[in-house]
Parts: sequence; C-alpha cells; structure tokens
Amino acid sequence: AQSVTQLGSHVSVSEGALVLLRCNYSSSVPPYLFWYVQYPNQGLQLLLKYTTGATLVKGINGFEAEFKKSETSFHLTKPSAHMSDAAEYFCAVSDWVEGAQKLVFGQGTRLTINP
Amino acid sequence: GAVVSQHPSWVICKSGTSVKIECRSLDFQATTMFWYRQFPKQSLMLMATSNEGSKATYEQGVEKDKFLINHASLTLSTLTVTSAHPEDSSFYICSARLGNTIYFGEGSWLTVV
Repeated sequence: AQSVTQLGSHVSVSEGALVLLRCNYSSSVPPYLFWYVQYPNQGLQLLLKYTTGATLVKGINGFEAEFKKSETSFHLTKPSAHMSDAAEYFCAVSDWVEGAQKLVFGQGTRLTINP
Repeated sequence: GAVVSQHPSWVICKSGTSVKIECRSLDFQATTMFWYRQFPKQSLMLMATSNEGSKATYEQGVEKDKFLINHASLTLSTLTVTSAHPEDSSFYICSARLGNTIYFGEGSWLTVV
C-alpha cells in the first residue's frame, strides 16, 4: 500500500522567504501525487498535482512541486511567502484498492508566516 | 477546477438524534464520492467510498449502521449519522473524483450536545 510522510508538522518562515514543505512517498506503482491546502474551518483545496509528464508542476498561488522518482519525493515550494499562505498543507498519493482510487494523506504540515 | 459543495456547513444536534450531511458535485458527475472525518489538528481519515447506484464501501473500523451513506445520483451523496453521540462531534469532509483528481467540499462541522 502507498504511504506518505510529511517531514515537519510545523514550518515557520518569514514573509518573503522561501517556503519548502517536504513530502516523501512510497508506492509500488507510478504514483499520482497531490498537494492540498486547508484554511481554518474549511475543506481542502487542490494546489497542484502530478500524474505523468513534466516532473516540475506549477500550481495555484505561486506554488510548485517537483516529482523526483529517485528520491521518492514531491516537495512543495514557493519562492516568496505571503501572509495569506498560512494554512495546513497535505501531501497525498493515490492508492488503488480493488480497482478504486483512494487518496492516502500525509500527516499535514502547518505553515506559519511571520511578519 | 471542479466544485464540490457540502450542506450544512455547521450543524448542532441532540444526543440520540440523526443528522444528514449532503455532498454535491456542482459542475460534474461523480460516480465515486468519499467521506472523511477530521479531528482537530489531525489529518483526514477516510470513512467510506460512496458509489453511485451501489452500496458504500466502508473502511475498517467504521460502523456501517451508524454512518449511513447513500449515493442516489451522480451528483449527490449523503452521510447520515444515526443516533449521534457527543463523540461523533467532528469535521466531516466529502470529496468527489473527476478523472484522476479528487476535489473536496468545504466540510461540515457536527456538534452533538
């Protein structure tokens, strides 16, 4: 079964600084990988996804992630943090169980932006 | 992107009563929807997979008789928490699959008093 590990349950950066949220996965098949963002008391919003093709994926709000098969990683980055980026971020990998696609989530990383 | 809507966003019910939460895919048809539960400051826990026109598939440890799921149409799945107890209080989130991507609703806060 697939699994996801997010390194760091809490990341704090200064406004304008680089954001790096780490995600490693394990998968027995070529993975579909996702990053979602969750603002307080809200559902999850898709930031970006990797399925096939280009390994550098650009998403909304200036975020991007790079699929590195050799490192089994899918780290999320943003060159310059904004206060509005403060939220919980979840990395997820698709798992196929009995022909059905399910998402396996990491534990989440809470991003705090310091003024 | 695709839009998934949940209703209600917030609900309070008395212990022992039942409460229904709706999940709708607004601009696409979804043969598969998912229901999650999320405890404060934790990740999402998949409760069940809802399949249009057939019975839901529940994850291990989830009580089928307590969390009734119905996927009556290609745009609507409902979760009914029966005989609710305070420990059922939680944030419930649904999602729907479109192609190879899963889109999430806004979530529903359930408080059982």
